[in-house]
Amino acid sequence: AQRVTQPEKLLSVFKGAPVELKCNYSYSGSPELFWYVQYSRQRLQLLLRHISRESIKGFTADLNKGETSFHLKKPFAQEEDSAMYYCALSGRIGTASKLTFGTGTRLQVTL
Amino acid sequence: DAGVTQSPTHLIKTRGQHVTLRCSPISGHKSVSWYQQVLGQGPQFIFQYYEKEERGRGNFPDRFSARQFPNYSSELNVNALLLGDSALYLCASTLLGGNSPLHFGNGTRLTVT
Repeated sequence: AQRVTQPEKLLSVFKGAPVELKCNYSYSGSPELFWYVQYSRQRLQLLLRHISRESIKGFTADLNKGETSFHLKKPFAQEEDSAMYYCALSGRIGTASKLTFGTGTRLQVTL
Repeated sequence: DAGVTQSPTHLIKTRGQHVTLRCSPISGHKSVSWYQQVLGQGPQFIFQYYEKEERGRGNFPDRFSARQFPNYSSELNVNALLLGDSALYLCASTLLGGNSPLHFGNGTRLTVT
């Protein structure tokens, strides 16, 4: 069974401090992982996916298969990073592709 | 931009009633997925439709059904509503299905009393 665990409901950091949002997964196949973000009063949107290996808005995430983790990191937090962040794992059900989401972590960046 | 649109935005129903939620995907997108998000949880997969065919279904009872129309818009139907069906229902579209990134709508907030 697929499972995504985000252990922190809330992460509060000061502006300029490093950020690490934790995500661990359970999956028997070759995982494809994503981070989605929801800013206040906006829709859920893709932040980044591991196969792209890119940095979006200063965020990066590295897939660690040994530790089954896909933590989201940013060296210096900005106020505009305050949002709800969801880690998601892609899998199959029937011929459908589905995402299994974690419960989310609210990032609060304070001055 | 013309993103995924969902209607209505909010809905209040009574236990036992039926509800229909609607979704229009991004122009050109042929795949629509439905997710249920209960307060405090991440979205949970309900269905995926591609080219008007159901491709997969999550762990939801038969009270939940959906369909996709020739213009790729979709409806989610829920019969015999229960209090536990109260949630945000999200529709997402992708160009081809598969592992293409999902584009989400703003959701329909359903409250069952």
